[in-house]
Amino acid sequence: GQQLNQSPQSMFIQEGEDVSMNCTSSSIFNTWLWYKQEPGEGPVLLIALYKAGELTSNGRLTAQFGITRKDSFLNISASIPSDVGIYFCAGLDYNQGGKLIFGQGTELSVKP
Amino acid sequence: ETGVTQSPTHLIKTRGQQVTLRCSSQSGHNTVSWYQQALGQGPQFIFQYYREEENGRGNFPPRFSGLQFPNYSSELNVNALELDDSALYLCASSSPGLAGTNTGELFFGEGSRLTVL
Repeated sequence: GQQLNQSPQSMFIQEGEDVSMNCTSSSIFNTWLWYKQEPGEGPVLLIALYKAGELTSNGRLTAQFGITRKDSFLNISASIPSDVGIYFCAGLDYNQGGKLIFGQGTELSVKP
Repeated sequence: ETGVTQSPTHLIKTRGQQVTLRCSSQSGHNTVSWYQQALGQGPQFIFQYYREEENGRGNFPPRFSGLQFPNYSSELNVNALELDDSALYLCASSSPGLAGTNTGELFFGEGSRLTVL
């Protein structure tokens, strides 16, 4: 079945540092999304990408949809303590009514 | 505008029992999907409802079933609970794209954490 491989699994960084995480797939997706989940909460959409090669920003977050349509990355610039959480990439499978295939997540810890 | 709300937030069941989880979708959203999130994993798609009908299903056995009501709220029912069913169950609502598919832009509730003993 479809699988998304997300790396790294966890990151421990200092406040102010930049962060980069990526996601690869064995299958092509036409839509890539990045979600963030904090403890006790459901995932919250950060960025949605709809076109191969697309580069989209949301504040300090920037994400790109890979040209091959099999990968995506997320960058966070100048990290702050509230960036702490688990970041998930997701590919949209238009079969099955449009289901999201999630990666395993990257857990981000930010030291003040 | 109210967001997605789920109930109960936590519950404990024993093997073989049945459970019903409930979800109210965000105002204006008529598509509801359910995901299972095991500890340390990403969410896994269970099924999706649009206009009160199931229009997509993941790799889950038939003892996982659901309903969507005319007000777009939804229920997830799990029969014959197994230990591996212990997880966070997430409900998400969305506005539909073309032909009832979703765009991937989901609004998740806080989840119902189920523990099966």
